[in-house]
Amino acid sequence: DTGVSQDPRHKITKRGQNVTFRCDPISEHNRLYWYRQTLGQGPEFLTYFQNEAQLEKSRLLSDRFSAERPKGSFSTLEIQRTEQGDSAMYLCASSLWLSAGGSPSTDTQYFGPGTRLTVL
Amino acid sequence: EDKVVQSPLSLVVHEGDTVTLNCSYEVTNFRSLLWYKQEKKAPTFLFMLTSSGIEKKSGRLSSILDKKELFSILNITATQTGDSAVYLCAVLSGTYKYIFGTGTRLKVLA
Repeated sequence: DTGVSQDPRHKITKRGQNVTFRCDPISEHNRLYWYRQTLGQGPEFLTYFQNEAQLEKSRLLSDRFSAERPKGSFSTLEIQRTEQGDSAMYLCASSLWLSAGGSPSTDTQYFGPGTRLTVL
Repeated sequence: EDKVVQSPLSLVVHEGDTVTLNCSYEVTNFRSLLWYKQEKKAPTFLFMLTSSGIEKKSGRLSSILDKKELFSILNITATQTGDSAVYLCAVLSGTYKYIFGTGTRLKVLA
């Protein structure tokens, strides 16, 4: 048990519907990442937060995707007007990153169990 | 473009065999390299490597990094069926960007 939780674990939706996923990171972790993983591929970076600030978004993240981390704790990822190509496993990871000058040895990502999205 | 390449893509061995998984990378601003094990769920952390030539060991698993030749290997000795999984290599580029390889799928037969 890594301590990162995600909800729901599975989501089946029809094309065009909106979906929202939640991630609860390890409590003392200040960084939170979202990834997408399709079959036979490694996780692809989508976005990350340092505390409540969203500091980077991948080009993979179209305008239909939005992520929030309002209080620097849990995060939500919303996909609007889902498309069949959105079907994937959505993984959340958290880590503890020290401030400037911090050692990378502390930034070990711990993953949640993922949310598997199927768009029909 | 940053990339992480793992080989082989898949591997089938028998219990008791020793396997070596490879990860090579071309990444700007390398900070660290991580190995994960992924079964039918999220990746679980195995090792993080930041310095060349220093072996990290955990039970039957060990890993080493060569920053000059830009690769890492993950060794598993005396393999067991429970080692069957996808092994992912990821490189931290800069302060936040993790780049993952496609993984090596290992199957250990009884």
